[in-house]
Amino acid sequence: EIVLTQSPGTLSLSPGERATLSCRASQSVSSSYLAWYQQKPGQAPRLLIYGASSRATGIPDRFSGSGSGTDFTLTISRLEPEDFAVYYCQQYGSSPGLTFGGGTKVEIK
Amino acid sequence: EVQLVESGGGLVKPGGSLRLSCAASGFTFSSYSMNWVRQAPGKGLEWVSSISSSSSYIYYADSVKGRFTISRDNAKNSLYLQMNSLRAEDTAVYYCARDPTTVVTPNWFDPWGQGTLVTVSS
Repeated sequence: EIVLTQSPGTLSLSPGERATLSCRASQSVSSSYLAWYQQKPGQAPRLLIYGASSRATGIPDRFSGSGSGTDFTLTISRLEPEDFAVYYCQQYGSSPGLTFGGGTKVEIK
Repeated sequence: EVQLVESGGGLVKPGGSLRLSCAASGFTFSSYSMNWVRQAPGKGLEWVSSISSSSSYIYYADSVKGRFTISRDNAKNSLYLQMNSLRAEDTAVYYCARDPTTVVTPNWFDPWGQGTLVTVSS
């Protein structure tokens, strides 16, 4: 099973700042099969990124994904008030044994 | 509008059973693989099970294998999760989620339903 470790656990930033979230895999994720989700309190997760860098439909271009192998990054170029949430990465390269990271909470500083 | 609505959650005693349902609308349900993903209170996400569009391919997480059964009824646009031998550690919000690809093994999930809470406690 591929273990995904997200860091930091909590990121304290102000609106307008840049957020950089890390997702590190215990072994290489084949074909960059990695997705990112956003979850707000009391809501279901929402797909942001798939294939490591492809934005899902309707996702603003301030969200971008990058990386390959074992190191992946989600970047939010300028934080909007609605972006404060928990973010999860998920790998599907070793499907069906797909796994999620533990999450990074982006909170208002 | 693509919509997934789960139901069937509730309080059940350890060792008991529960059947979750997910009603789909706004898309051709029979064309997509579907999944169950759960989230324990205050915790992260855990993939539970996946079923391909024609039910030919079914996958389970090791944590539920032998206890949970996923199924679907394409005529009713519905997905199900039969949960038996429930344990306290199965307590979670259970989400159904569509796999938007055409690959039979699970990929990414979009969209997700709002979830239904299952509580296993005596």
